[in-house]
Amino acid sequence: DQQVKQNSPSLSVQEGRISILNCDYTNSMFDYFLWYKKYPAEGPTFLISISSIKDKNEDGRFTVFLNKSAKHLSLHIVPSQPGDSAVYFCAASAMGTGNQFYFGTGTSLTVIP
Amino acid sequence: DGGITQSPKYLFRKEGQNVTLSCEQNLNHDAMYWYRQDPGQGLRLIYYSQIVNDFQKGDIAEGYSVSREKKESFPLTVTSAQKNPTAFYLCASRPRNSAVADTQYFGPGTRLTVL
Repeated sequence: DQQVKQNSPSLSVQEGRISILNCDYTNSMFDYFLWYKKYPAEGPTFLISISSIKDKNEDGRFTVFLNKSAKHLSLHIVPSQPGDSAVYFCAASAMGTGNQFYFGTGTSLTVIP
Repeated sequence: DGGITQSPKYLFRKEGQNVTLSCEQNLNHDAMYWYRQDPGQGLRLIYYSQIVNDFQKGDIAEGYSVSREKKESFPLTVTSAQKNPTAFYLCASRPRNSAVADTQYFGPGTRLTVL
Protein backbone atom coordinates (compact mmCIF):
# COMPACT_ATOMS: atom_id res chain seq x y z
CA ASP A 1 0.00 0.00 0.00
CA GLN A 2 1.74 3.10 -1.28
CA GLN A 3 1.26 5.90 1.22
CA VAL A 4 3.21 8.42 -0.82
CA LYS A 5 2.58 8.66 -4.54
CA GLN A 6 4.22 10.45 -7.40
CA ASN A 7 1.93 9.89 -10.34
CA SER A 8 4.21 11.34 -13.01
CA PRO A 9 7.14 9.03 -13.69
CA SER A 10 8.80 11.59 -15.94
CA LEU A 11 8.78 15.27 -16.80
CA SER A 12 10.59 17.28 -19.48
CA VAL A 13 11.05 21.02 -19.19
CA GLN A 14 12.89 23.60 -21.24
CA GLU A 15 15.86 25.27 -19.59
CA GLY A 16 14.85 28.49 -17.84
CA ARG A 17 11.23 27.44 -17.40
CA ILE A 18 9.55 26.24 -14.24
CA SER A 19 9.54 22.58 -13.24
CA ILE A 20 6.67 21.42 -11.06
CA LEU A 21 6.87 18.01 -9.46
CA ASN A 22 3.87 16.67 -7.60
CA CYS A 23 3.40 14.30 -4.72
CA ASP A 24 0.29 12.98 -2.95
CA TYR A 25 0.01 11.17 0.34
CA THR A 26 -2.71 9.26 2.11
CA ASN A 27 -1.68 9.20 5.75
CA SER A 28 -3.00 12.25 7.61
CA MET A 29 -0.51 11.58 10.41
CA PHE A 30 2.41 12.64 8.23
CA ASP A 31 3.80 15.89 9.54
CA TYR A 32 7.14 16.26 7.84
CA PHE A 33 7.88 16.11 4.13
CA LEU A 34 11.08 16.11 2.16
CA TRP A 35 12.31 16.13 -1.39
CA TYR A 36 15.40 14.22 -2.43
CA LYS A 37 17.32 14.38 -5.67
CA LYS A 38 19.00 11.30 -7.04
CA TYR A 39 21.45 10.72 -9.84
CA PRO A 40 21.90 7.23 -11.34
CA ALA A 41 23.98 4.85 -9.24
CA GLU A 42 24.22 7.35 -6.39
CA GLY A 43 22.43 7.79 -3.09
CA PRO A 44 19.68 10.42 -2.82
CA THR A 45 20.70 13.83 -1.54
CA PHE A 46 18.45 16.00 0.54
CA LEU A 47 16.99 18.97 -1.29
CA ILE A 48 14.34 20.71 0.77
CA SER A 49 11.83 19.95 3.49
CA ILE A 50 8.65 21.32 4.98
CA SER A 51 6.88 20.82 8.27
CA SER A 52 3.12 20.46 8.40
CA ILE A 53 2.84 23.74 10.31
CA LYS A 54 3.87 25.58 7.16
CA ASP A 55 2.45 25.69 3.67
CA LYS A 56 5.52 26.93 1.87
CA ASN A 57 9.26 26.70 2.19
CA GLU A 58 11.71 28.32 -0.16
CA ASP A 59 15.41 27.74 -0.69
CA GLY A 60 16.94 29.53 -3.65
CA ARG A 61 15.46 28.14 -6.85
CA PHE A 62 13.52 25.47 -4.98
CA THR A 63 10.15 25.97 -3.31
CA VAL A 64 8.00 23.31 -1.72
CA PHE A 65 4.29 23.88 -1.26
CA LEU A 66 2.12 21.85 1.09
CA ASN A 67 -1.66 21.59 0.87
CA LYS A 68 -2.69 19.58 3.91
CA SER A 69 -6.38 19.49 3.11
CA ALA A 70 -5.63 17.96 -0.28
CA LYS A 71 -2.76 15.84 1.10
CA HIS A 72 -0.62 17.18 -1.69
CA LEU A 73 2.79 18.72 -1.97
CA SER A 74 4.71 20.07 -4.89
CA LEU A 75 8.26 21.09 -5.66
CA HIS A 76 8.83 24.08 -7.90
CA ILE A 77 12.19 24.64 -9.53
CA VAL A 78 12.62 27.98 -11.21
CA PRO A 79 14.48 28.62 -13.36
CA SER A 80 15.21 25.02 -14.33
CA GLN A 81 18.78 24.19 -15.30
CA PRO A 82 20.22 21.17 -17.15
CA GLY A 83 22.02 20.14 -13.95
CA ASP A 84 18.62 19.68 -12.32
CA SER A 85 18.04 16.63 -14.51
CA ALA A 86 17.69 13.77 -12.03
CA VAL A 87 15.10 11.62 -10.30
CA TYR A 88 13.22 13.43 -7.55
CA PHE A 89 11.68 11.54 -4.65
CA CYS A 90 9.27 12.95 -2.16
CA ALA A 91 9.20 11.42 1.30
CA ALA A 92 6.98 11.75 4.34
CA SER A 93 7.36 11.02 8.00
CA ALA A 94 5.23 11.06 11.12
CA MET A 95 6.73 11.74 14.52
CA GLY A 96 6.47 8.74 16.76
CA THR A 97 6.57 6.11 14.01
CA GLY A 98 10.13 5.03 14.59
CA ASN A 99 11.45 7.79 12.40
CA GLN A 100 10.41 5.91 9.29
CA PHE A 101 10.30 7.72 6.01
CA TYR A 102 7.90 6.69 3.28
CA PHE A 103 9.06 7.41 -0.23
CA GLY A 104 7.23 8.02 -3.47
CA THR A 105 8.19 6.22 -6.67
CA GLY A 106 10.11 9.17 -8.05
CA THR A 107 9.79 11.53 -10.99
CA SER A 108 12.55 11.68 -13.57
CA LEU A 109 13.11 15.29 -14.56
CA THR A 110 14.85 16.17 -17.80
CA VAL A 111 15.77 19.79 -18.39
CA ILE A 112 16.35 20.42 -22.06
CA PRO A 113 19.03 22.98 -22.88
CA ASP B 1 35.11 13.88 6.35
CA GLY B 2 31.85 12.81 7.95
CA GLY B 3 29.60 10.59 5.94
CA ILE B 4 28.16 7.21 5.12
CA THR B 5 30.11 4.63 3.16
CA GLN B 6 28.80 1.53 1.50
CA SER B 7 30.92 -1.16 0.01
CA PRO B 8 31.29 -2.56 -2.48
CA LYS B 9 29.67 -0.34 -5.10
CA TYR B 10 28.93 -3.32 -7.36
CA LEU B 11 28.43 -6.85 -6.12
CA PHE B 12 27.74 -10.05 -7.98
CA ARG B 13 26.57 -13.22 -6.39
CA LYS B 14 25.47 -16.63 -7.54
CA GLU B 15 21.94 -17.71 -6.89
CA GLY B 16 21.62 -19.52 -3.56
CA GLN B 17 24.47 -17.69 -1.86
CA ASN B 18 24.21 -15.30 1.05
CA VAL B 19 25.94 -11.96 0.74
CA THR B 20 26.58 -9.14 3.20
CA LEU B 21 26.49 -5.46 2.27
CA SER B 22 28.50 -3.08 4.38
CA CYS B 23 27.32 0.26 5.73
CA GLU B 24 29.48 2.48 7.96
CA GLN B 25 28.81 6.00 9.21
CA ASN B 26 30.92 8.43 11.22
CA LEU B 27 28.18 11.02 11.70
CA ASN B 28 27.45 9.82 15.24
CA HIS B 29 23.87 9.11 14.18
CA ASP B 30 21.86 6.73 16.29
CA ALA B 31 19.39 5.58 13.65
CA MET B 32 20.33 3.64 10.53
CA TYR B 33 18.22 2.30 7.69
CA TRP B 34 18.38 -0.05 4.73
CA TYR B 35 16.32 0.51 1.59
CA ARG B 36 16.16 -1.14 -1.77
CA GLN B 37 15.33 0.57 -5.00
CA ASP B 38 13.94 -1.21 -8.04
CA PRO B 39 13.28 0.34 -11.44
CA GLY B 40 10.06 2.34 -11.41
CA GLN B 41 9.64 1.97 -7.69
CA GLY B 42 10.37 4.16 -4.74
CA LEU B 43 12.71 3.35 -1.93
CA ARG B 44 11.31 0.52 0.15
CA LEU B 45 12.39 0.06 3.74
CA ILE B 46 13.99 -3.29 4.58
CA TYR B 47 15.20 -2.84 8.16
CA TYR B 48 15.98 0.01 10.49
CA SER B 49 17.74 0.43 13.79
CA GLN B 50 17.24 3.27 16.22
CA ILE B 51 19.93 2.23 18.65
CA VAL B 52 22.74 -0.28 19.06
CA ASN B 53 21.61 -3.88 19.54
CA ASP B 54 18.08 -3.06 18.44
CA PHE B 55 16.46 -3.20 15.01
CA GLN B 56 13.02 -3.52 13.47
CA LYS B 57 11.66 -4.95 10.26
CA GLY B 58 10.57 -2.59 7.57
CA ASP B 59 8.06 -3.25 4.82
CA ILE B 60 10.06 -5.88 2.93
CA ALA B 61 12.26 -7.64 5.51
CA GLU B 62 11.69 -11.18 4.27
CA GLY B 63 14.90 -12.78 3.06
CA TYR B 64 17.13 -10.21 4.76
CA SER B 65 18.89 -9.99 8.10
CA VAL B 66 20.81 -7.24 9.89
CA SER B 67 22.90 -6.66 12.97
CA ARG B 68 23.74 -3.53 14.93
CA GLU B 69 26.63 -4.35 17.23
CA LYS B 70 28.25 -0.96 16.83
CA LYS B 71 26.76 2.49 16.41
CA GLU B 72 28.83 3.07 13.29
CA SER B 73 27.95 -0.11 11.46
CA PHE B 74 24.73 -1.66 10.14
CA PRO B 75 25.50 -4.56 7.78
CA LEU B 76 22.74 -6.12 5.70
CA THR B 77 22.79 -9.80 4.74
CA VAL B 78 20.84 -10.80 1.68
CA THR B 79 20.04 -14.46 2.17
CA SER B 80 19.22 -17.13 -0.35
CA ALA B 81 15.61 -16.87 0.83
CA GLN B 82 15.24 -13.47 -0.84
CA LYS B 83 13.47 -14.31 -4.10
CA ASN B 84 14.40 -11.20 -6.10
CA PRO B 85 17.63 -9.87 -4.62
CA THR B 86 18.90 -8.02 -7.68
CA ALA B 87 18.45 -4.34 -6.80
CA PHE B 88 20.15 -1.14 -5.75
CA TYR B 89 20.60 -1.08 -1.98
CA LEU B 90 20.82 2.16 -0.04
CA CYS B 91 21.88 2.70 3.53
CA ALA B 92 20.91 5.83 5.44
CA SER B 93 21.39 7.31 8.88
CA ARG B 94 19.67 9.96 10.92
CA PRO B 95 20.00 11.58 14.36
CA ARG B 96 17.56 9.76 16.59
CA ASN B 97 16.67 12.29 19.20
CA SER B 98 15.58 15.18 17.08
CA ALA B 99 13.05 17.56 18.55
CA VAL B 100 12.00 18.23 15.02
CA ALA B 101 12.07 15.53 12.40
CA ASP B 102 15.35 15.58 10.61
CA THR B 103 16.55 14.32 7.30
CA GLN B 104 18.14 11.04 6.47
CA TYR B 105 21.58 11.02 4.95
CA PHE B 106 22.21 8.38 2.34
CA GLY B 107 25.26 6.42 1.34
CA PRO B 108 26.25 5.98 -2.32
CA GLY B 109 24.51 2.62 -2.63
CA THR B 110 25.47 -0.92 -3.64
CA ARG B 111 24.23 -2.48 -6.85
CA LEU B 112 23.69 -6.20 -6.21
CA THR B 113 23.27 -8.52 -9.17
CA VAL B 114 22.41 -12.17 -8.74
CA LEU B 115 23.62 -14.32 -11.60
